[in-house]
Amino acid sequence: DSGVTQTPKHLITATGQRVTLRCSPRSGDLSVYWYQQSLDQGLQFLIHYYNGEERAKGNILERFSAQQFPDLHSELNLSSLELGDSALYFCASSPTQRGTGLQETQYFGPGTRLLVL
Amino acid sequence: AQSVTQLGSHVSVSEGALVLLRCNYSSSVPPYLFWYVQYPNQGLQLLLKYTTGATLVKGINGFEAEFKKSETSFHLTKPSAHMSDAAEYFCAVRGSQGNLIFGKGTKLSVKP
Repeated sequence: DSGVTQTPKHLITATGQRVTLRCSPRSGDLSVYWYQQSLDQGLQFLIHYYNGEERAKGNILERFSAQQFPDLHSELNLSSLELGDSALYFCASSPTQRGTGLQETQYFGPGTRLLVL
Repeated sequence: AQSVTQLGSHVSVSEGALVLLRCNYSSSVPPYLFWYVQYPNQGLQLLLKYTTGATLVKGINGFEAEFKKSETSFHLTKPSAHMSDAAEYFCAVRGSQGNLIFGKGTKLSVKP
């Protein structure tokens, strides 16, 4: 158990709908990263939040957005869903190294499996 | 820009045999390298990492990897495979934004 929790575990929805995925990082970790894992694209970085602020964006579609709340949990919002959005969505949290401020190692949650029908 | 190439999408070994999973990376800066394992229907578990220092790093479950700068490689090995090692293994390099850049993964099968 990595200490990172994600809900729900599974989500089935229809095209055009909107869903919210939730992630709670490990205690004390300020960084949350979101990744998408699909058969054709593999594991792709979506977005990074640090202590409530967006730090970096990867291959995240405009239909997708995220936020990190004061209690450090994060939500990934996916809207106008398409069949191709079906994937496993992971969040990972990372501790910040004292001194360097570097977030080095990422610990992954169990993922949310999204199926768009 | 950083990238990772994992050679072999499927590797099959017999129980007790050597496991060798290959990873080559590309990085314009000194790399931070990671191996993760994913069991069916589970998340990614960190096996080991290289940041600085000793180039041979030991991880969990008897795995180890050696960072070879001259070969831009970070291959994962285990002397003796167990049935429980059957899983998908991902090599990753830390990107410039702090994110992980993953290879496409290698599925390891272990035959009894």
